[in-house]
Amino acid sequence: GENVEQHPSTLSVQEGDSAVIKCTYSDSASNYFPWYKQELGKRPQLIIDIRSNVGEKKDQRIAVTLNKTAKHFSLHITETQPEDSAVYFCAATQTDSWGKLQFGAGTQVVVTP
Amino acid sequence: GAVVSQHPSRVICKSGTSVKIECRSLDFQATTMFWYRQFPKKSLMLMATSNEGSKATYEQGVEKDKFLINHASLTLSTLTVTSAHPEDSSFYICSVGGRGGYEQYFGPGTRLTVT
Repeated sequence: GENVEQHPSTLSVQEGDSAVIKCTYSDSASNYFPWYKQELGKRPQLIIDIRSNVGEKKDQRIAVTLNKTAKHFSLHITETQPEDSAVYFCAATQTDSWGKLQFGAGTQVVVTP
Repeated sequence: GAVVSQHPSRVICKSGTSVKIECRSLDFQATTMFWYRQFPKKSLMLMATSNEGSKATYEQGVEKDKFLINHASLTLSTLTVTSAHPEDSSFYICSVGGRGGYEQYFGPGTRLTVT
């Protein structure tokens, strides 16, 4: 089955700096890669996703890149703000085996003013 | 996305009792819902896939007789933790598939504490 590894486990950044979280996956059949943001005690919220037919996707201050050959994908947050502080999870799945997201272990991001 | 609710948000029960958690898809009909559990500072672990009108599919290591799932309608799935024990204390979250067919949207979660 799919195995997703996520690094780093914690990330501290100064407000205004960029944050990068990296994930690797094992199953070359995986073709959908979402990123979730979870604040303490709250639900995970889908913030951006990418499918394998695209190498990069951007939505305002966040972007995701995908390298299918190397089987890794990354989340980039620019101009970080204190409200970006949360745990971020990457995940991978195959769109034709509906569901069964395999999550990474999570990254605790702390943005200090 | 999809709008998902869960009830209750928090529940405390005594060891040996059963607890039912409801997950509702509020804005569209979901043939498939998912149940996860999350321990403090840990990732989400899929417990089972809930299919409307049929039996749930459980992940390896999840006891189907302990975690009963019923998906009786296109908008409601329930998870019943039977004979709960302190080790069942966790954050239980459901998710619903989006209209695209592969993205998932999560409910607000249920914090279960077994004393």
